[in-house]
Amino acid sequence: GENVEQHPSTLSVQEGDSAVIKCTYSDSASNYFPWYKQELGKRPQLIIDIRSNVGEKKDQRIAVTLNKTAKHFSLHITETQPEDSAVYFCAASRTDSSYKLIFGSGTRLLVRP
Amino acid sequence: DVKVTQSSRYLVKRTGEKVFLECVQDMDHENMFWYRQDPGLGLRLIYFSYDVKMKEKGDIPEGYSVSREKKERFSLILESASTNQTSMYLCASSPNGAPITEAFFGQGTRLTVV
Repeated sequence: GENVEQHPSTLSVQEGDSAVIKCTYSDSASNYFPWYKQELGKRPQLIIDIRSNVGEKKDQRIAVTLNKTAKHFSLHITETQPEDSAVYFCAASRTDSSYKLIFGSGTRLLVRP
Repeated sequence: DVKVTQSSRYLVKRTGEKVFLECVQDMDHENMFWYRQDPGLGLRLIYFSYDVKMKEKGDIPEGYSVSREKKERFSLILESASTNQTSMYLCASSPNGAPITEAFFGQGTRLTVV
């Protein structure tokens, strides 16, 4: 079945440094790749997404890249701030038969002041 | 604002009890999901529904069933609760159509089975 693998499971960076989280997916028909941020005690919320017809998307300090050939996509956070500390989840979905949304195992990001 | 509301924030149930977790969304979304969140395991899909009375198994459906009699409501049922079902349960909903858009989550139900 569909599978999404996410690495690393934990990531600690100094404030101001960059953070990169990587995901791979198994279903080549996946065409939508969202990233969610979950702060402690709160629900996951979408921070950025990318569709399969685009290779890169940027929104201020966050960017996502997609390599369809390798079935790989990544989240990049630049100039990290303490408020970026959270758990980040990647996910993959397809729209040709169902909208099932499969998540990776999550990355706990800690930004040290 | 999209609202996805789960009926309980915290629940404590006894082993063997039948447990109902309710989720309601107010945005007329076709798709609804139940996930289980455990440390280090991420969000694992239990069941998914893409229309009223339609359901599809996720990765970990064993011990669970679901009901979707109305578009806005998706219920997760633990037929006979066991201690290994102690977890955080998250409901989500999303619309059909192109382009595909985000899923919205409920606040979560932390279930403890004793």
